[in-house]
Amino acid sequence: DVKVTQSSRYLVKRTGEKVFLECVQDMDHENMFWYRQDPGLGLRLIYFSYDVKMKEKGDIPEGYSVSREKKERFSLILESASTNQTSMYLCASTVGWSLGANQPQHFGDGTRLSIL
Amino acid sequence: AQKVTQAQTEISVVEKEDVTLDCVYETRDTTYYLFWYKQPPSGELVFLIRRNSFDEQNEISGRYSWNFQKSTSSFNFTITASQVVDSAVYFCALSEASNTNAGKSTFGDGTTLTVKP
Repeated sequence: DVKVTQSSRYLVKRTGEKVFLECVQDMDHENMFWYRQDPGLGLRLIYFSYDVKMKEKGDIPEGYSVSREKKERFSLILESASTNQTSMYLCASTVGWSLGANQPQHFGDGTRLSIL
Repeated sequence: AQKVTQAQTEISVVEKEDVTLDCVYETRDTTYYLFWYKQPPSGELVFLIRRNSFDEQNEISGRYSWNFQKSTSSFNFTITASQVVDSAVYFCALSEASNTNAGKSTFGDGTTLTVKP
C-alpha cells in the first residue's frame, strides 16, 4: 500500500514564525501536491511538484513556498505565518504525468495547523 | 477550464436510508477521469472509484453505486442502506488527460454526509 506520511497531525505556531510542513511518500511517485482544506471551500491546491526540484503554483500560492530536494519528500513552507493560514493541510502523491491523469491521488492524514 | 460542482453541502439521513450525492463537472477535454474520495473524521482522503470518459457503464460495489452520465455531465454516488460508518465528507474530482501535468485533479467542495442511528 502507498503510504503518505505527514510529519505532524497537530501544530501550533505564532504569527511571524517560519513554519515547515513535511510530507514523505514511499511509492516513488513523481507528482506531489499540497492542499489546504477549509470549511465550505473544499480542497484548494497550493503547490504541486512533478519532479525533483520542479514546482508549479496552484490556485492559492501566496504566502507559501515549497521544496522538493528528494523525490520522496515535499515540504511546504510558510515564510511568515499569519492567522489566516490556520487550516488543515493535506499532502498527496500520484504517478507521473504520462499515467497520472487516470490514477487516484494518495493522501496523508493531514496536519491541522493553528497560527496564534 | 475544468470545474467540479457538488451542490449539496450537507446531507443528514437516518441509518438504513438510501442517499445520493450529486456531482456535476465541466471540461473541454474528450478524455478525462472522474474520481470519488471519502474523508472520514480521521482526516485522510480515501480513494473510492475512478471512471474514464469512455466508460459510461454504471458500477456497483456492495452498498455503493455510481451513475455516470456524459449527457448531463454528472457522476452521482449512491449509498444504499446507509450506516453510521458512512458518515464522512465525500469529494468528487476530475482529471484531464490532456493536462501535461496530469495527475493534477480539480476537486469539488465536498458533501458532508451524516448518518444518524
